[in-house]
Amino acid sequence: EVQLVESGGGLVQPGGSLRISCSASGFSFSSYPMHWVRQAPGKGLEYVSAINTNVYNTYYVDSVKGRFTISRDNSKNTLYLQMSSLRVEDTAVYYCVKDRGNYGDHWGQGTLVTVSS
Amino acid sequence: DIQMTQSPSSLSASVGDRVTITCRASQGIRNYLAWYQQRPGEAPKLLIYAASTLESGVPSRFSGSGSGTDFTLTISNLQPEDVATYYCQKYNSPPRSFGQGTKLEIK
Repeated sequence: EVQLVESGGGLVQPGGSLRISCSASGFSFSSYPMHWVRQAPGKGLEYVSAINTNVYNTYYVDSVKGRFTISRDNSKNTLYLQMSSLRVEDTAVYYCVKDRGNYGDHWGQGTLVTVSS
Repeated sequence: DIQMTQSPSSLSASVGDRVTITCRASQGIRNYLAWYQQRPGEAPKLLIYAASTLESGVPSRFSGSGSGTDFTLTISNLQPEDVATYYCQKYNSPPRSFGQGTKLEIK
């Protein structure tokens, strides 16, 4: 059974940094691209970032370019999102999503990141 | 960037009804469209991919159609457990953006 478990969310001040993680199991993690999707409180889904299996091909939505870095450790079956220069508008539940043909077939339960002073 | 627009934003229907949600892309995306269901308090769940292919385990009362710019998600014989917000997503090329969502309630 595919399992994706996010962790590392919490309260951070504007301008601060945070790294969230996603521990994957139940599938061959190194064989699949992975995504991060976020959802602000009471709002819709926003596609944030993606990473290919070879860790060199990455994508970022314009609003996070230069501030967020996606990475993966295939030896630990773990996906990361390093977030810096955080803004109030980055407050959201961040979902880790397994790729299948460029769409997501399995989603984690999410981790809440709150940016507030 | 290609914009995805869903309609309606919300709707209310009765158990047993047939419900239709539409998703329109600002440019053609062939059939690179997925539909997700997000029940209250839960993570999204994949329903349909390639515009009309039902994900394994999803009830057959869900169906999808369309190609190019206009797509439809249909729920026949609406059930109480279908109360959720439904999202379309394009995935032909980055950004793999979502529609704004359609909130479905039971009358």
